[in-house]
Amino acid sequence: SQTIHQWPATLVQPVGSPLSLECTVEGTSNPNLYWYRQAAGRGLQLLFYSVGIGQISSEVPQNLSASRPQDRQFILSSKKLLLSDSGFYLCAWRRKGTDTQYFGPGTRLTVL
Amino acid sequence: DAKTTQPPSMDCAEGRAANLPCNHSTISGNEYVYWYRQIHSQGPQYIIHGLKNNETNEMASLIITEDRKSSTLILPHATLRDTAVYYCIVRVDTGTASKLTFGTGTRLQVTL
Repeated sequence: SQTIHQWPATLVQPVGSPLSLECTVEGTSNPNLYWYRQAAGRGLQLLFYSVGIGQISSEVPQNLSASRPQDRQFILSSKKLLLSDSGFYLCAWRRKGTDTQYFGPGTRLTVL
Repeated sequence: DAKTTQPPSMDCAEGRAANLPCNHSTISGNEYVYWYRQIHSQGPQYIIHGLKNNETNEMASLIITEDRKSSTLILPHATLRDTAVYYCIVRVDTGTASKLTFGTGTRLQVTL
């Protein structure tokens, strides 16, 4: 069976500090991978998606970047965090040729 | 992209059917309707999806109108564990990326 992991589960960081959130998927190969952000009381916003190693598409201009160094690893980064980067960050995967996305448990980021 | 409209909140008594409506009047012919739910502080969970015909699985039923401009998710016997935010989503196909666009959803509160 497939599982998706995210860490850390929670993170408190000062403004201007760097960020690295990691997502890994087990039990599948060559998945599509997604990063979403959910601000408090709002819907999910797609940030990045990847259809393969080293292939990243950005949905919105922002202070964040993503990388996919391995087939089942997706990393969300920032060089300098802003207050507005606070939120609930979700990673998701989808098997190519199918319709359903499966979400990880999320990372709650608070920037102070 | 087709947008969806959902009521912000609904209440349902435990054991009763919960009927969650969704309008997607600008849906195009090849776009699927998806339903996910998000229990507090967890990642979204896939429920069901459909194109034209009504669908049923172990979690819920999906009723899509003949003109496809609206749909209803039915939880036949709601329990307290069904309390969550329910998202109605129309799938956007971008090559192989198959992005999902989430709105603000309907907050379903199941009560005793």
